[in-house]
Amino acid sequence: NAGVMQNPRHLVRRRGQEARLRCSPMKGHSHVYWYRQLPEEGLKFMVYLQKENIIDESGMPKERFSAEFPKEGPSILRIQQVVRGDSAAYFCASSPSGARNTIYFGEGSWLTVV
Amino acid sequence: AQSVAQPEDQVNVAEGNPLTVKCTYSVSGNPYLFWYVQYPNRGLQFLLKYITGDNLVKGSYGFEAEFNKSQTSFHLKKPSALVSDSALYFCAVRETDGGTASKLTFGTGTRLQVTL
Repeated sequence: NAGVMQNPRHLVRRRGQEARLRCSPMKGHSHVYWYRQLPEEGLKFMVYLQKENIIDESGMPKERFSAEFPKEGPSILRIQQVVRGDSAAYFCASSPSGARNTIYFGEGSWLTVV
Repeated sequence: AQSVAQPEDQVNVAEGNPLTVKCTYSVSGNPYLFWYVQYPNRGLQFLLKYITGDNLVKGSYGFEAEFNKSQTSFHLKKPSALVSDSALYFCAVRETDGGTASKLTFGTGTRLQVTL
């Protein structure tokens, strides 16, 4: 059973470009979470999704950031018009339904904005 | 709102000695508590969790954690530290509301440094 798969692992974008980060959850997992980690900092929650539904987006910046988890295919975190402050590691995690279940993390996507 | 505090930015311990990484939490309902470890440039690896039952939870790589409801703590422990345990450790809490799952809220992390 493959783990949570994220790609790309490393992404370089110029200021003003768009970044798309993809996440395939573990098999059988219907919940996806996105977190951001700035250098030498902890993990900040961004968004929590189920298939075709955003459950909690309280951590998403109001502008330029969006996320989806379609019925088919991976979850996508999209950052439009990137700025240098968007440079960070973005982690996706997944779990089955049910609060008792463990949330498993992917290896992360490192975004560098130049 | 749920929150987690890890009061120590760094913990230093000699190999072979016991280690403790502290964590306290705040939730309005029953907490589900987790510990994760992160090695440089890697994702988070799950170590253990407390859901219900025995207050002492055993996890991966010889780690264990003790849930203390009165002190709202969930300290991570290991009887004998290894150099390879050196990493960043995160405590997290997941609040439940009638069984409805919510996000994980993380502490700021504690860097464990184990030396020979």
